[in-house]
Amino acid sequence: GAVVSQHPSWVICKSGTSVKIECRSLDFQATTMFWYRQFPKQSLMLMATSNEGSKATYEQGVEKDKFLINHASLTLSTLTVTSAHPEDSSFYICSARIRLAGPKNIQYFGAGTRLSVL
Amino acid sequence: ELKVEQNPLFLSMQEGKNYTIYCNYSTTSDRLYWYRQDPGKSLESLFVLLSNGAVKQEGRLMASLDTKARLSTLHITAAVHDLSATYFCAVGRFYLLTQGGSEKLVFGKGTKLTVNP
Repeated sequence: GAVVSQHPSWVICKSGTSVKIECRSLDFQATTMFWYRQFPKQSLMLMATSNEGSKATYEQGVEKDKFLINHASLTLSTLTVTSAHPEDSSFYICSARIRLAGPKNIQYFGAGTRLSVL
Repeated sequence: ELKVEQNPLFLSMQEGKNYTIYCNYSTTSDRLYWYRQDPGKSLESLFVLLSNGAVKQEGRLMASLDTKARLSTLHITAAVHDLSATYFCAVGRFYLLTQGGSEKLVFGKGTKLTVNP
C-alpha cells in the first residue's frame, strides 16, 4: 500500500524555538496533503490543507503565521511550528491523498510527530 | 457544518462478546471511513464505505453504511484482547479546487475500546 513517511516521530524543544515536521509520500504523488493535530485523548482536528505549488488553506481558528506549511513538491510537505509554546504540545499527523481516480483515492496517514514544548 | 457523533466514547467488554459502535453524521457525505489508533500511534485504515448499503468485513470487524439514516456502524464479533484500541469514524466531503478536487475528513471523537480477558 501507499506509504507516508513523517519525520521526526518525536521532538522536544524549548519554548520560543521553531520546529519543522516533514511529511513525504514515498511511493506515490500526492495531489494534496493534510495536517492534523490531536490533543491527548481527543480526536483529530484538521489544521490545514496543502496543495502542491499553492498556498495552504487553513481551518478556522488555526494561525497561519504560527503554523507555516510549505508544499514544495508532489511528495513533500512541511509544517513549521514557529515560536513554539507549551500549549502547542500535541501529536501532529499528516496525510497524503494519492493522485488517482477511484477507490484508492483516499488519504494515507503518516506515523505522527509528538511535539513537547518545555 | 458537518458534525460527526460517535458513541459510545468508552467501551469495556469481555472477550468473546459482541458489540456495536455507532457513527452518526449531520449532512450528506461522500465517503465514510473507520480507523484504528493504538496508544501513541497514528491511524490505521480499517474500512472505506462508498455507498448506501455498503458492508465490509475484516476478521472480527464489520462495518456498514446507511446514507439515508446518516449512520455507520462498526460491529465487533467475539472480541479478543488484541482489538483493544481507539476507533474513529470519519466522514469525507469532497470540495472543488481550481484544478480538480479533494476531500476533507471530519472525525468523530473516537471510541476507546478495552477488551478484558
